[in-house]
Amino acid sequence: QKEVEQNSGPLSVPEGAIASLNCTYSDRVSQSFFWYRQYSGKSPELIMSIYSNGDKEDGRFTAQLNKASQYVSLLIRDSQPSDSATYLCAVNRNTGFQKLVFGTGTRLLVSP
Amino acid sequence: DVKVTQSSRYLVKRTGEKVFLECVQDMDHENMFWYRQDPGLGLRLIYFSYDVKMKEKGDIPEGYSVSREKKERFSLILESASTNQTSMYLCASSGLNPSGANVLTFGAGSRLTVL
Repeated sequence: QKEVEQNSGPLSVPEGAIASLNCTYSDRVSQSFFWYRQYSGKSPELIMSIYSNGDKEDGRFTAQLNKASQYVSLLIRDSQPSDSATYLCAVNRNTGFQKLVFGTGTRLLVSP
Repeated sequence: DVKVTQSSRYLVKRTGEKVFLECVQDMDHENMFWYRQDPGLGLRLIYFSYDVKMKEKGDIPEGYSVSREKKERFSLILESASTNQTSMYLCASSGLNPSGANVLTFGAGSRLTVL
């Protein structure tokens, strides 16, 4: 079992819809969770971090964490074609040192 | 903004050559990392460093070494390049952002092709 698992996609949604990206992790001691966006040919950029159970909202993005189910998700409301990218889920075992384990990413395609 | 600068965007080397990939960050971060990214395998940690002259192996250190002589600079070295080291190499550093969260910031990447 991979330490961090994501569906590779592509996930296709129409413009204006909600895109839901999911991630599961295997290590129960994981403490902090991150979503990175990576455009084709570019490096990953951080868009959300979440540390406690529940929802965290930032603009059109909402991260959801359920530690009991070892599940973290990213919702993108009012999806735009510019959101088309690969979204990487990353997990860290502690809240200090950033030694992240990454999933392989989900490719999102938002059609106009 | 944190800037992580990788010296070479594209490199083409021959099998057996020694390869240096340089990375510099300008935010006084203590922690620096080298990842490689391959299709279907995602980002995998090669080495990381939490202080000058300190280094730790990541998940795939074989065939690589690193050097951190100065806080701002972290170099990845391929002693004898092989074709299976053809990849995108990403350097990153981490430190506290203005919100107090410890975040990882990547450089633009170095795409290495070994012939």
